[in-house]
Amino acid sequence: GAVVSQHPSWVICKSGTSVKIECRSLDFQATTMFWYRQFPKQSLMLMATSNEGSKATYEQGVEKDKFLINHASLTLSTLTVTSAHPEDSSFYICSARDPGRPHRTQYFGPGTRLLVL
Amino acid sequence: GQQLNQSPQSMFIQEGEDVSMNCTSSSIFNTWLWYKQDPGEGPVLLIALYKAGELTSNGRLTAQFGITRKDSFLNISASIPSDVGIYFCAGQSTGGSTLGRLYFGRGTQLTVWP
Repeated sequence: GAVVSQHPSWVICKSGTSVKIECRSLDFQATTMFWYRQFPKQSLMLMATSNEGSKATYEQGVEKDKFLINHASLTLSTLTVTSAHPEDSSFYICSARDPGRPHRTQYFGPGTRLLVL
Repeated sequence: GQQLNQSPQSMFIQEGEDVSMNCTSSSIFNTWLWYKQDPGEGPVLLIALYKAGELTSNGRLTAQFGITRKDSFLNISASIPSDVGIYFCAGQSTGGSTLGRLYFGRGTQLTVWP
């Protein structure tokens, strides 16, 4: 299947700092990527849809000024958690839609574990 | 956002037993997907279903897309220890502003005893 990578795989930061997470599609060009957040023992919650060359679409309740998304190329989307606080600690997962496959199949990255102290 | 009803929430079975889990929704989906997530990893696609009534297999896994397009089930036959993990169903939206986005079930935690 298609490969999606994330970097870093885990990060620990101090409260008030900003953290950038990268999502890359390795063997296809993704015009659309998605960012999810997952708390322990819970399902994936969509945060935003990232479209290459345009502004991201955020889900209700997600602060766009806190979770900055940039999709500047067809293989890279970044999520920046600004002024992180302990409640932002979570597992962040991206997915990318492969336009070369039918039915808009999404492939997920391995996730990034964020711990804010 | 919309949440699918996935059951059971958890299962504890012995190696070799068969497993069945299902998902229901109040909305119609054009695509049903089943993912498995291991601890600390992203979900991995197991089976994708694109047509109402479709029955698809992937090794020991079998999944069906309900006729009403509002439900799906996943069966695992002859379970083995490496089947342990969380299984998520997902429905893919049919159109409009949410075209292509996924709606997830709450997951089924599977534990397999040797």
